[in-house]
Amino acid sequence: DGGITQSPKYLFRKEGQNVTLSCEQNLNHDAMYWYRQDPGQGLRLIYYSQIVNDFQKGDIAEGYSVSREKKESFPLTVTSAQKNPTAFYLCASSSRLGVLPETQYFGPGTRLLVL
Amino acid sequence: DQQVKQNSPSLSVQEGRISILNCDYTNSMFDYFLWYKKYPAEGPTFLISISSIKDKNEDGRFTVFLNKSAKHLSLHIVPSQPGDSAVYFCAVFRGTSYGKLTFGQGTILTVHP
Repeated sequence: DGGITQSPKYLFRKEGQNVTLSCEQNLNHDAMYWYRQDPGQGLRLIYYSQIVNDFQKGDIAEGYSVSREKKESFPLTVTSAQKNPTAFYLCASSSRLGVLPETQYFGPGTRLLVL
Repeated sequence: DQQVKQNSPSLSVQEGRISILNCDYTNSMFDYFLWYKKYPAEGPTFLISISSIKDKNEDGRFTVFLNKSAKHLSLHIVPSQPGDSAVYFCAVFRGTSYGKLTFGQGTILTVHP
């Protein structure tokens, strides 16, 4: 079955700790995205990647980092510089970037909680 | 500055009646408009979209209307079913924005049996 997997489902972070959220897709999609969802704020774009070894900052990239070493993988690291990391994190992918709004397919999400 | 706004945080509808979800946007340069549906603890799933050159798109019980002069988008669900209860997000897309979608805050729809 093709799709997007995110792990873990729940993640706990201690103060001053970096944590990495996993996102893997087997849809052969070129583009991948990371969003953050907070109550009443909808989805906000953190980072996106159009192609392997390339990524761009979204609207709220401060305190986060990403890598795109493989087409199918786009891990997100929440660094200690992110002062309010508690949120629901969603990974998405789309087949290509271009004129048409390639529908983004979302993973099930990871809920990050600060201890 | 929020480019996409869903001003109603929640909507409650009786089963069988019409559900109307609304979305306002500020930038007239958007090319496509989309609706996503989200259940708790799951990722959003694509529902329906409309191009800026159209004013209506229908898919079964779901119809999206676009009023470009008012910069207003709406989703009609007829008839509403309890399984439609979810959070609905509108999203907008611009062809020059490298696939970036901008989402509204979401509206919680509850359909009562």
